[in-house]
Amino acid sequence: GNSVTQMEGPVTLSEEAFLTINCTYTATGYPSLFWYVQYPGEGLQLLLKATKADDKGSNKGFEATYRKETTSFHLEKGSVQVSDSAVYFCALSDKNDYKLSFGAGTTVTVRA
Amino acid sequence: KAGVTQTPRYLIKTRGQQVTLSCSPISGHRSVSWYQQTPGQGLQFLFEYFSETQRNKGNFPGRFSGRQFSNSRSEMNVSTLELGDSALYLCASSLEARRDNEQFFGPGTRLTVL
Repeated sequence: GNSVTQMEGPVTLSEEAFLTINCTYTATGYPSLFWYVQYPGEGLQLLLKATKADDKGSNKGFEATYRKETTSFHLEKGSVQVSDSAVYFCALSDKNDYKLSFGAGTTVTVRA
Repeated sequence: KAGVTQTPRYLIKTRGQQVTLSCSPISGHRSVSWYQQTPGQGLQFLFEYFSETQRNKGNFPGRFSGRQFSNSRSEMNVSTLELGDSALYLCASSLEARRDNEQFFGPGTRLTVL
């Protein structure tokens, strides 16, 4: 079946530091890949997505590239802010599967 | 445009009781999915509905059920509550849940079972 593996947190950074969260997946076929973010007390928000190999999703300074050869979709941001403190989830959706499969989530804390 | 709304936001029940959670999708969205979020198991898919039909179901016992109405609003029901059912239940809607279709999440219902 489909599965997503994320690097374990928590991750603590200083403002303006570089952030990378590793994500690898297992899926039959060619899934779509997503990064969602969850701020305290809120639901999930889509951060970015990529639907085919070599696509790069980007939003709010975050980027992730769909790497089919390594089955990865690592999230990166060059300079984090305190407001980026949240839980980040990597997820995939298979072609005929009306659901999202999520990774365990990575808690990121950015200190001023 | 109003987002996905879920009611109630917080709920406290005791073991053995049953509970019904409600979700109103974004206007025009016909697909509604439900997820359970717990610290131990993370985010797990419960079921997905489109045009009042359940199209996919996760690996949960039969105590968990759901339905969708003609106006796309959805409810999920949990009967004979167990302590392990304590979780944040998230509802998500989309125009039609396909592999590249964004799902919009509500704020969730926090269920505590005592």
